Amino acid sequence: QKEVEQNSGPLSVPEGAIASLNCTYSDRGSQSFFWYRQYSGKSPELIMFIYSNGDKEDGRFTAQLNKASQYVSLLIRDSQPSDSATYLCASYSGGGADGLTFGKGTHLIIQP
Amino acid sequence: DVKVTQSSRYLVKRTGEKVFLECVQDMDHENMFWYRQDPGLGLRLIYFSYDVKMKEKGDIPEGYSVSREKKERFSLILESASTNQTSMYLCASTWDRWNYGYTFGSGTRLTVV
Repeated sequence: QKEVEQNSGPLSVPEGAIASLNCTYSDRGSQSFFWYRQYSGKSPELIMFIYSNGDKEDGRFTAQLNKASQYVSLLIRDSQPSDSATYLCASYSGGGADGLTFGKGTHLIIQP
Repeated sequence: DVKVTQSSRYLVKRTGEKVFLECVQDMDHENMFWYRQDPGLGLRLIYFSYDVKMKEKGDIPEGYSVSREKKERFSLILESASTNQTSMYLCASTWDRWNYGYTFGSGTRLTVV
């Protein structure tokens, strides 16, 4: 059974600080990883994906992948109140026409 | 931008009714998916399709079926709606699962009474 685990939170971070969101996955065959942001009452929107070990940066967002530890993280620099949302981590194992496996999400609150 | 359109934002149906949820994407994506999202349970895959007339069961297909007669349209069917199917239903599509993740529709909140 493929699983993606996230701390549900809420994770409270002051405005301007770095928010760090973490995710672990059970399937060693997982090949690519995705971070989605979901505002309350809205559908998830893709922020970043990563498939190589190391860091990937896009604006204020940095995704980090460590396949040996089966660990994925998302860093949000200079956090803004508009970053307050639930962040979903997802993995794709490939090898067939199956879907992404999602974690249950971490609720992030940026305090002004 | 890719657009994934779900026909209804809110739907209320009675127990035992046959319910159709429609999803249309406008970017010629091969792969389409139906998920349901429930508090505490996260997103769970119901069915997916990687080609016209092709369908595969996801993790929770019981009580559901799907139809994909055209590439751009993927329909979810609740054969006989039950109260435990009250949920947010999300359709998604992607050209390449490996690299690009999904684009989600805006969701249909279904209430079965």
